[in-house]
Amino acid sequence: GAVVSQHPSRVICKSGTSVKIECRSLDFQATTMFWYRQFPKQSLMLMATSNEGSKATYEQGVEKDKFLINHASLTLSTLTVTSAHPEDSSFYICSGGSGLPNTEAFFGQGTRLTVV
Amino acid sequence: AQKVTQAQTEISVVEKEDVTLDCVYETRDTTYYLFWYKQPPSGELVFLIRRNSFDEQNEISGRYSWNFQKSTSSFNFTITASQVVDSAVYFCALYNFNKFYFGSGTKLNVKP
Repeated sequence: GAVVSQHPSRVICKSGTSVKIECRSLDFQATTMFWYRQFPKQSLMLMATSNEGSKATYEQGVEKDKFLINHASLTLSTLTVTSAHPEDSSFYICSGGSGLPNTEAFFGQGTRLTVV
Repeated sequence: AQKVTQAQTEISVVEKEDVTLDCVYETRDTTYYLFWYKQPPSGELVFLIRRNSFDEQNEISGRYSWNFQKSTSSFNFTITASQVVDSAVYFCALYNFNKFYFGSGTKLNVKP
C-alpha cells in the first residue's frame, strides 16, 4: 500500500528553538495533508489541513504562527514548531490523502517531540 | 456536529477470546465515511477498514469483522480468536467535510 514517510521519528530540542518535521508521500500524490497532535493516551487532535500550493487551514485554538505548515509539493509537507516550549512536547502525526474519502488516508510513523 | 464515541477506554482479554470494540458516531449529514485504524505501540496508524454511509453491508476479513448499523449510528469491530499481536489502541473515525473525527480510542490488551 501507499506509504507516508515522516521524519524524524524522535527529536529532542532546547526550549526556544525551532523544529521541522517532514512528511513525504512516497508512492502517491498527496493533494491533502493533515497534521495531528496526540497527547499520551489520548486521541488524535487535528491541527491543520493543507492542500498543495495553498495556505493551511488551522483548527480553532491552533496558533498558525507557532505551527508553520508548508505543502509546497504533492509529495512533501512540513510542520515547523517555532520557539518550542516544553508544553509543545507531544506526538505529531501527519497523514496524506489523494482522492479522499474514496481512498484511505495514509499515516506517517509519527514524531515524538520533546522540548527540554 | 460530528462526533465519535468509543466508550470502552481499555479492554483486557485472554488470547483466543473474541472481543468487540464499540463505536458510536454522530453526524447530521447523509453522506459520510467511517474508518477503523489500529495504532500499535510503535505509533503508526494502520488502516483496517473504510465504509461509506450508503453501504451497510457487514464485512469480514479473516479474524476481523465489522457491523455497521445506521439505525443505531454504530460501527462496531469484532476480533475473533484474539492474539497477542492484536494488542494496540484502536481508533474509530468519521470522515466528513474533508476532515477526520477520531474517537478517543480503545486500548486492547490481549494476554497470553
